[in-house]
Amino acid sequence: QQQVKQSPQSLIVQKGGIPIINCAYENTAFDYFPWYQQFPGKGPALLIAIRPDVSEKKEGRFTISFNKSAKQFSLHIMDSQPGDSATYFCAASFQGAQKLVFGQGTRLTINP
Amino acid sequence: NAGVMQNPRHLVRRRGQEARLRCSPMKGHSHVYWYRQLPEEGLKFMVYLQKENIIDESGMPKERFSAEFPKEGPSILRIQQVVRGDSAAYFCASSPLVREEAFFGQGTRLTVV
Repeated sequence: QQQVKQSPQSLIVQKGGIPIINCAYENTAFDYFPWYQQFPGKGPALLIAIRPDVSEKKEGRFTISFNKSAKQFSLHIMDSQPGDSATYFCAASFQGAQKLVFGQGTRLTINP
Repeated sequence: NAGVMQNPRHLVRRRGQEARLRCSPMKGHSHVYWYRQLPEEGLKFMVYLQKENIIDESGMPKERFSAEFPKEGPSILRIQQVVRGDSAAYFCASSPLVREEAFFGQGTRLTVV
């Protein structure tokens, strides 16, 4: 019940395409769903986060879609660029920053 | 405002030695979290601390691992008698309040030989 399942494990998209990464959770007590971007050798950096009272949130080229009834949320990257190539992690928690439960990660490659 | 600072960035220890990992949170942040990342895996929560208090250590292995966040100075994650399986990247994060965003450091990559 504490797991967050993330798919796909890896994804290759052409420049300008819209990669979509999906996550599913079981515990309905989760109330904070962030996405992190991690480059090799670096720490995770917060991209965007959503709470379950909204179904969509956009920040720049990044959009989170949230489906509370299905217990799923996804990250869309509009107009993807080679610089977006990184590993993306979804996460969930009960209280914001506290005790984040991470997905397994998606290694995204954007080809020029 | 400097980010979360972790040191050392890389640490090599022989089996049986002790490893000490340090984390200085961002200025104004009083909540510190430690996570472990094994190769090709997501981050796993280990412990959540506030100054001089361990709030949640449910992710810490029962033996050999300890953490502290003293009144003065950085938070320390201590691993005694390291084994090969402890080889991983250890990340520290901090937040100003528990319901606010967590900002991660660059991590300490521990290699046990």
